Amino acid sequence: DTGVSQDPRHKITKRGQNVTFRCDPISEHNRLYWYRQTLGQGPEFLTYFQNEAQLEKSRLLSDRFSAERPKGSFSTLEIQRTEQGDSAMYLCASGPTEVFGYGYTFGSGTRLTVV
Amino acid sequence: DQQVKQNSPSLSVQEGRISILNCDYTNSMFDYFLWYKKYPAEGPTFLISISSIKDKNEDGRFTVFLNKSAKHLSLHIVPSQPGDSAVYFCAASAIQGAQKLVFGQGTRLTINP
Repeated sequence: DTGVSQDPRHKITKRGQNVTFRCDPISEHNRLYWYRQTLGQGPEFLTYFQNEAQLEKSRLLSDRFSAERPKGSFSTLEIQRTEQGDSAMYLCASGPTEVFGYGYTFGSGTRLTVV
Repeated sequence: DQQVKQNSPSLSVQEGRISILNCDYTNSMFDYFLWYKKYPAEGPTFLISISSIKDKNEDGRFTVFLNKSAKHLSLHIVPSQPGDSAVYFCAASAIQGAQKLVFGQGTRLTINP
């Protein structure tokens, strides 16, 4: 078990370009979350998957954002037509359904810089 | 609106002394509270949690206290060690539904030798 993996670790893109991030959760975890963290703030919830079903999306997730989790395994987060305000750390977390008290396991994140 | 608040952006404590980090929340629907620790260039790491049916939970040097009437929780670290220097986030959640975490802004703890 190597924990939650995120790729890439860093991404610099020009405004208007599309970017895609990948998250590989801990294999037996059926819950998967995406969060966004900006400087000086705590992580903010973006979206949640239970297996392959996307069950909740934050209003922070504009139409330019889309997330998938095919077959309930890895997940991707795509941002279309990036804007400078999208610059942030994007964190993925996974956890089992049954045990909540141990929190979720976070990946190291993908830092996005839009120039 | 900020449902979870950590009003101290930073805290400096001498090694061996007690570190106390505070957190306030506004949403009465929260019934689970967690503390995460974050080092630079890493994701948050789970530290300790407490259910709303308890008022104290202890794990080694870490103790979390919950005061539901005041909507306040605190994390005590005794004794503080240099390796404890990190950013600490308080988070809250409801057990029902998505169990998404609502985080505070974080407190940067520095332990001085």
